[in-house]
Amino acid sequence: QSALTQPPSASGSLGQSVTISCTGTSNDVGGYNYVSWYQQSPGKAPKLLIYEVSNRPPGVSTRFSGSKSGNTASLTISGLLAEDEADYYCSSFTGSSTWVFGGGTKVTVL
Amino acid sequence: QIQMVQSGGEVKKPGASVKVSCKTSGYPFTNHGINWVRQAPGQGLEWMGWISAYNGNTKYIEKLQGRITMTIDKSTSTAYMELSPLRGDDTAVYYCARDLGVAGLQDWGQGTLVIVSS
Repeated sequence: QSALTQPPSASGSLGQSVTISCTGTSNDVGGYNYVSWYQQSPGKAPKLLIYEVSNRPPGVSTRFSGSKSGNTASLTISGLLAEDEADYYCSSFTGSSTWVFGGGTKVTVL
Repeated sequence: QIQMVQSGGEVKKPGASVKVSCKTSGYPFTNHGINWVRQAPGQGLEWMGWISAYNGNTKYIEKLQGRITMTIDKSTSTAYMELSPLRGDDTAVYYCARDLGVAGLQDWGQGTLVIVSS
């Protein structure tokens, strides 16, 4: 199972929006609505931001939103804050009943 | 509140074994699976496998088959991940995470650094 494809970096200015893509195949992203997104700050454990493509767990800011089209899922961060600087990972359930992560995207707030 | 507390860091020699524990609290242990995810230094996340806290069923990624064993102890609400024999590229931070079924990994342990070096 190959890793999902994410851009290595993305950036946006304070208050603006940034969108991160996550491309897989019909055997993972395209075949299931079980895409999740995680935020990881340096030295910390990942934090679940989005599950089942577009659902936010309690306590996660509404500035984070997810979507999916075909084999590509996306995470949008609106109203960028300095605290949003982190690494972001997508993940998908697969046809082999396993999970696969993307390579991660480092978000920089300008 | 839900807590996932992992055992401390380890330094091991190649060929040795390591067993990392993940003690959970704050929720019905048998209601959720436990996943293990690792992160090599400066690298991304790698899902390693899953164990059902209900019946102990497991699913491992193919590359670790034969070297990884996940177990649970219902009496102490603790999950374990054992990796053997260790190789240099097993050096990583190992995380346990409680799942929401197949929807995502909700709660994570603090991570356990395992260093494999001769």
